[in-house]
Amino acid sequence: GAVVSQHPSRVICKSGTSVKIECRSLDFQATTMFWYRQFPKQSLMLMATSNEGSKATYEQGVEKDKFLINHASLTLSTLTVTSAHPEDSSFYICSASSGGAGEQFFGPGTRLTVL
Amino acid sequence: AQSVAQPEDQVNVAEGNPLTVKCTYSVSGNPYLFWYVQYPNRGLQFLLKYITGDNLVKGSYGFEAEFNKSQTSFHLKKPSALVSDSALYFCAVRDIMDTGRRALTFGSGTRLQVQP
Repeated sequence: GAVVSQHPSRVICKSGTSVKIECRSLDFQATTMFWYRQFPKQSLMLMATSNEGSKATYEQGVEKDKFLINHASLTLSTLTVTSAHPEDSSFYICSASSGGAGEQFFGPGTRLTVL
Repeated sequence: AQSVAQPEDQVNVAEGNPLTVKCTYSVSGNPYLFWYVQYPNRGLQFLLKYITGDNLVKGSYGFEAEFNKSQTSFHLKKPSALVSDSALYFCAVRDIMDTGRRALTFGSGTRLQVQP
């Protein structure tokens, strides 16, 4: 149980285009989903927290207009990187939690490369 | 504010020997503590957590961790390391009082290398 999927696993795009990444909780209802960014050989940096049906809460320094997050249902959250630039290239990881003191379950990550 | 420190970038151990990966934390209140493992180009896999109760927590793949409140530590241990344990390990903390944001703060990660 507690499986989280991400799609796509890898995407290469041209500078200026937008990319959408999906995060799904497959066997539980995720009241909260989290989006992280991980640079090579570094830890995870929280980008935003999203609760189903409400606006995402962004961490300081994260541009909400660039990283659009939608949490339309209890099993799906999407992250759209708008007008992507090479510096947006990174490993993006989502996690989902059913709330309370429960642990977060992580997706396999999406490797974004912007040319 | 909450923070996590993993003082070792890398830990090397021979197969069959015990291993320890260190973690210390700082929170305003009481902590929820977690260990995750990451294999190359993969997401994080949950190993174990401390919420309350027994200070010694047993988790997946034979790993365990001991919560020490006085030393604010939550070191990860395994009695006998396997080559397949080689991976990147992250310690994470959440403040119990953080009922709103509920996000985890991660340490910088420790790479475990188990030599055959």
